[in-house]
Amino acid sequence: AQKVTQAQTEISVVEKEDVTLDCVYETRDTTYYLFWYKQPPSGELVFLIRRNSFDEQNEISGRYSWNFQKSTSSFNFTITASQVVDSAVYFCALSGRDSSYKLIFGSGTRLLVRP
Amino acid sequence: SQTIHQWPATLVQPVGSPLSLECTVEGTSNPNLYWYRQAAGRGLQLLFYSVGIGQISSEVPQNLSASRPQDRQFILSSKKLLLSDSGFYLCAWLPGTSGTDTQYFGPGTRLTVL
Repeated sequence: AQKVTQAQTEISVVEKEDVTLDCVYETRDTTYYLFWYKQPPSGELVFLIRRNSFDEQNEISGRYSWNFQKSTSSFNFTITASQVVDSAVYFCALSGRDSSYKLIFGSGTRLLVRP
Repeated sequence: SQTIHQWPATLVQPVGSPLSLECTVEGTSNPNLYWYRQAAGRGLQLLFYSVGIGQISSEVPQNLSASRPQDRQFILSSKKLLLSDSGFYLCAWLPGTSGTDTQYFGPGTRLTVL
């Protein structure tokens, strides 16, 4: 069975602090995909990144970076120099290789960045 | 470019009333379509998905149903709403032709059942 765990329910930081959101996944598939989505207060899910299981290279996009480690089944997300606009709920998700491409979501981490 | 629409944006319905939520996608053909529900303060649960017209797969047994009458239209329905149907309903799409496995989400419908 596939499962995604985001153990941090809520994180509060002061602006300009770095923050890491943890994501641990379980799957028996050898080929799979991992995602991060951002849900601002408006509710819409915004796609941030997709990683396939064969690409363990870390990625950086501006203040965002992702650390994918198959050895620990983790796909962590770091925001450097956080800003108030980063306040949102962040979801990690997993999909396998069946034709549905359905997503299994973690329970989300609510990030509050205080000025 | 592709866009996804959902309506209505918000809805307040009494228990026992019917429901119809609509999702349409523009700028693509033969997409995979998905309905997710997010209960208050919780994660997202996949309800239905469709890989083509008239093809519906249900993930969670409940009093909801889905239909896909047209290629880019996905409808979520109920004959009689329950209090537990309250939540935020999100539609998502994924290109039908391979190349990407990324789902893109609509703006959502916030449903309150009283």
